[in-house]
Amino acid sequence: AQSVSQHNHHVILSEAASLELGCNYSYGGTVNLFWYVQYPGQHLQLLLKYFSGDPLVKGIKGFEAEFIKSKFSFNLRKPSVQWSDTAEYFCAVNGGATNKLIFGTGTLLAVQP
Amino acid sequence: GAVVSQHPSRVICKSGTSVKIECRSLDFQATTMFWYRQFPKQSLMLMATSNEGSKATYEQGVEKDKFLINHASLTLSTLTVTSAHPEDSSFYICSASTMGQGGTEAFFGQGTRLTVV
Repeated sequence: AQSVSQHNHHVILSEAASLELGCNYSYGGTVNLFWYVQYPGQHLQLLLKYFSGDPLVKGIKGFEAEFIKSKFSFNLRKPSVQWSDTAEYFCAVNGGATNKLIFGTGTLLAVQP
Repeated sequence: GAVVSQHPSRVICKSGTSVKIECRSLDFQATTMFWYRQFPKQSLMLMATSNEGSKATYEQGVEKDKFLINHASLTLSTLTVTSAHPEDSSFYICSASTMGQGGTEAFFGQGTRLTVV
């Protein structure tokens, strides 16, 4: 069965600090990988996705993620965070014949001005 | 991107009553929609996969008679919480998938906050 693990449950950073959120998955076949963001009071929005090709994926708002197949990882990064990045971040994966997404437990990011 | 609309966004109901939540794909057809439940400070838990014109597929531990899913058309799926109890209070989110660049991509509704009193 597929599973997704996010190691950081709660991260607090100051503005301009660099961000890296860990995500590991378990699945033996080809996977599609996603990072979603949920701003306070809003619905989930797609930050970036990996289907195939270049393992370094660039998303919206300056975020990027790197797919490392050998490590089953898809970590999210941003060189310099802003206060407006305060939100909850979810890593998700789907694979195999279904389209269903399996989510990690989420990481709550708080950026202090 | 594609738009998924969920209604209502917030509902309060009495214990023992039933509540229906609608999920619509506004600008694309979705043969498959998904229903999730999100507990406070936890991740989204997949409840079921809603298939247009056929029965929904429920995840292990989800009561199909409690959470009735109907996917009558390519743009509408409904989730009915029957005989609701306070423990059913939660945030319910639907998503619909469509083909994006390179693969299938999911779009999410804004969620429904259900409070059972």
